[in-house]
Amino acid sequence: IAGITQAPTSQILAAGRRMTLRCTQDMRHNAMYWYRQDLGLGLRLIHYSNTAGTTGKGEVPDGYSVSRANTDDFPLTLASAVPSQTSVYFCASSKGQDTGELFFGEGSRLTVL
Amino acid sequence: AQRVTQPEKLLSVFKGAPVELKCNYSYSGSPELFWYVQYSRQRLQLLLRHISRESIKGFTADLNKGETSFHLKKPFAQEEDSAMYYCALARSGYSTLTFGKGTMLLVSP
Repeated sequence: IAGITQAPTSQILAAGRRMTLRCTQDMRHNAMYWYRQDLGLGLRLIHYSNTAGTTGKGEVPDGYSVSRANTDDFPLTLASAVPSQTSVYFCASSKGQDTGELFFGEGSRLTVL
Repeated sequence: AQRVTQPEKLLSVFKGAPVELKCNYSYSGSPELFWYVQYSRQRLQLLLRHISRESIKGFTADLNKGETSFHLKKPFAQEEDSAMYYCALARSGYSTLTFGKGTMLLVSP
């Protein structure tokens, strides 16, 4: 059972470079999310999508973009990475937009130098 | 805007001792509250939610609207309970969660 798959697991990136974090789910969940986890700050929502074709901004959307072309995939793009985007990124999904139970991926550790 | 506060970054107890991880929230509407747990080298996962009123792995949490709290409790801690615990809030009818900053629980033998 795969659930949510994120790639890459870990990446070191030079500042100014473009980076896309991939997220795929096989549970046919409607809603998907991207969070970043930082020590002392917990998890903060970057972007979300309630259903394919729609996206919304979370708490910390600046510098990030997402797309939801289909149900299964929800990539997160950093157009021009900056050191403050060094973090662990978690993709999650939920069956609907009103369930509250999120299923998380294993995370992608990104270091921007 | 909603906010979740977990005042303790780290809670260290001995095996068999009672545990209480504190969580307070601010939200003007009717919230849904959750506890998520992240064990070492594992994915973040749901531990329990207030609407189900169930006990998972011996943990319970009661929503106290008067005190705007949702503290997580366990009468006798076990070493395998050592993990990072996050309290989270969702507005009723929505699943975008607002998380607290987390509390690391360390249970020593």
